Amino acid sequence: EPEVTQTPSHQVTQMGQEVILRCVPISNHLYFYWYRQILGQKVEFLVSFYNNEISEKSEIFDDQFSVERPDGSNFTLKIRSTKLEDSAMYFCASSPRVYTGELFFGEGSRLTVL
Amino acid sequence: AQSVTQPDIHITVSEGASLELRCNYSYGATPYLFWYVQSPGQGLQLLLKYFSGDTLVQGIKGFEAEFKRSQSSFNLRKPSVHWSDAAEYFCAVGGTQGAQKLVFGQGTRLTINP
Repeated sequence: EPEVTQTPSHQVTQMGQEVILRCVPISNHLYFYWYRQILGQKVEFLVSFYNNEISEKSEIFDDQFSVERPDGSNFTLKIRSTKLEDSAMYFCASSPRVYTGELFFGEGSRLTVL
Repeated sequence: AQSVTQPDIHITVSEGASLELRCNYSYGATPYLFWYVQSPGQGLQLLLKYFSGDTLVQGIKGFEAEFKRSQSSFNLRKPSVHWSDAAEYFCAVGGTQGAQKLVFGQGTRLTINP
């Protein structure tokens, strides 16, 4: 069964460092998303991406965040200068159509900022 | 603004017992409603969804949920739980246009006693 894969599964970084989280969405999907979950808190929407551009982003997704689809398969989330409060589980998701809410999630990348 | 409340952070039931997980939502129009499950070390998997029509929806793994507009609720049920149902369950709401931005509840952790 097709699945969304994310790497790394866990990354530890120092505050101020740049981090890139990678995702390979399901191959025939058109819409891509990043969500995050800070420990003990809700899963929060960060950004959605369609047709090589951001279609929607939350207020969390400020200038230190960026997303890219550098080739036909990968979808990346870059955090330019990490802060302690960026420590969270980051989930990538994809969907074949936008108006269904049927998101297919990866297993997540745990980011720990020291 | 959209919001989802899952009043129960942690529920413990015995194997074979019935289960009901509560979910209340706040949304200004007709929502799309979802239940996702997250097993340890796994991504979020869609259990079921409600868009319109029959207010009792069936999902995978023997789960069902009932949409009650008057109570703004979308509770998840299962008549007889199995040990493999131990997981975290998330209720989510999305708009009828651009359901990509799902708003999640805090999650309910389900523990199964043998």
